Amino acid sequence: AQSVSQHNHHVILSEAASLELGCNYSYGGTVNLFWYVQYPGQHLQLLLKYFSGDPLVKGIKGFEAEFIKSKFSFNLRKPSVQWSDTAEYFCAVRSGGSQGNLIFGKGTKLSVKP
Amino acid sequence: EAGVTQFPSHSVIEKGQTVTLRCDPISGHDNLYWYRRVMGKEIKFLLHFVKESKQDESGMPNNRFLAERTGGTYSTLKVQPAELEDSGVYFCASSQVGVIQYFGAGTRLSVL
Repeated sequence: AQSVSQHNHHVILSEAASLELGCNYSYGGTVNLFWYVQYPGQHLQLLLKYFSGDPLVKGIKGFEAEFIKSKFSFNLRKPSVQWSDTAEYFCAVRSGGSQGNLIFGKGTKLSVKP
Repeated sequence: EAGVTQFPSHSVIEKGQTVTLRCDPISGHDNLYWYRRVMGKEIKFLLHFVKESKQDESGMPNNRFLAERTGGTYSTLKVQPAELEDSGVYFCASSQVGVIQYFGAGTRLSVL
């Protein structure tokens, strides 16, 4: 069965620190990859996505992610975090076509200390 | 443009009672998805509607769960009778074909 693994349950950083959240998936075919974010009290929002092409994708709020096919990974990065980045981050994969459901990782809570 | 709206935001019921969750997708979105997150676990797929038809209901846990989407607009998810393990956050998402799934804020269900 397909699965998504997020390496960290809770990450605590100080402002201006660099961030990298790990995500690995298990599926050998063509996949679409996503990072969603849920700020406290808000709905899940799309940060960025990878469908094809350049494996380095840029999203909103200065986030980027790199798709490494050989490692089945799609790690999320940000060079310098802000207090407002405190949220829960979810990696997800979609297979089975453009209408397929998403398979999520367990999420990573990020706490940024001011 | 209004986003995906879910009602209620929080529901507290006793074991054995019935609860109905509602999702209003973004207007014009034919695809509607239900997901659930049990505490400490990942968000898991429950089912997928295309317009009023169930495209995939492989994630529905058991026959105590009934989802409908009359007229291809809003959807309801009924749990009857509710059990303790049904507690969690229920998310709804909608999308156009081949595009991004937009999520609602979720309904937190607490079964006591």
